[in-house]
Amino acid sequence: AQSVAQPEDQVNVAEGNPLTVKCTYSVSGNPYLFWYVQYPNRGLQFLLKYITGDNLVKGSYGFEAEFNKSQTSFHLKKPSALVSDSALYFCAVRERNNDMRFGAGTRLTVKP
Amino acid sequence: GAVVSQHPSRVICKSGTSVKIECRSLDFQATTMFWYRQFPKKSLMLMATSNEGSKATYEQGVEKDKFLINHASLTLSTLTVTSAHPEDSSFYICSARDPFRGAGGPLEQFFGPGTRLTVL
Repeated sequence: AQSVAQPEDQVNVAEGNPLTVKCTYSVSGNPYLFWYVQYPNRGLQFLLKYITGDNLVKGSYGFEAEFNKSQTSFHLKKPSALVSDSALYFCAVRERNNDMRFGAGTRLTVKP
Repeated sequence: GAVVSQHPSRVICKSGTSVKIECRSLDFQATTMFWYRQFPKKSLMLMATSNEGSKATYEQGVEKDKFLINHASLTLSTLTVTSAHPEDSSFYICSARDPFRGAGGPLEQFFGPGTRLTVL
């Protein structure tokens, strides 16, 4: 069974509008959840994580994510999108054996 | 954050030849490194986990005799694609775990910039 799912291949938003990139997970126990961003021909950059504590996690570049246990979701959000936010975003979960499992990725395009 | 480099960034080779990709942790010692493969418009697929001084642990379906991984030091892991074929063309990304730092905690992985392999 897939550990993490990103239901949207593509998200398009206008610059200045809020953005949401969706992620749901399906691991047992308390999940360790991550968001990474990948720019073209580059490796992954860490954005934020949820381990424990506050459900709203703030990360780099103004991004935040909300952990929702009842909905098993960890959606990435930003109040006001920038054109430079256009990239590929990956949600990931750390499994019990400490392996990272990545979602399929969501391509975010922010149009001016 | 910690820096991980990969070399080469891009390589083109003929079918049947072998290609070696290096992954280095530049400012920390990485006891564990990971190799991923990324297909176009697809997610990262974990290929193997390598621990310094021991044999790599391969994921199911990954041919260990084709994808040779060596982690001879705390700062270097290599992936050798042997007898490469066009279907091996992909983007290969390594990551390294720094047990002492990282905004993601002691188990955070730091990713290299990736290597684009094209097999003709």
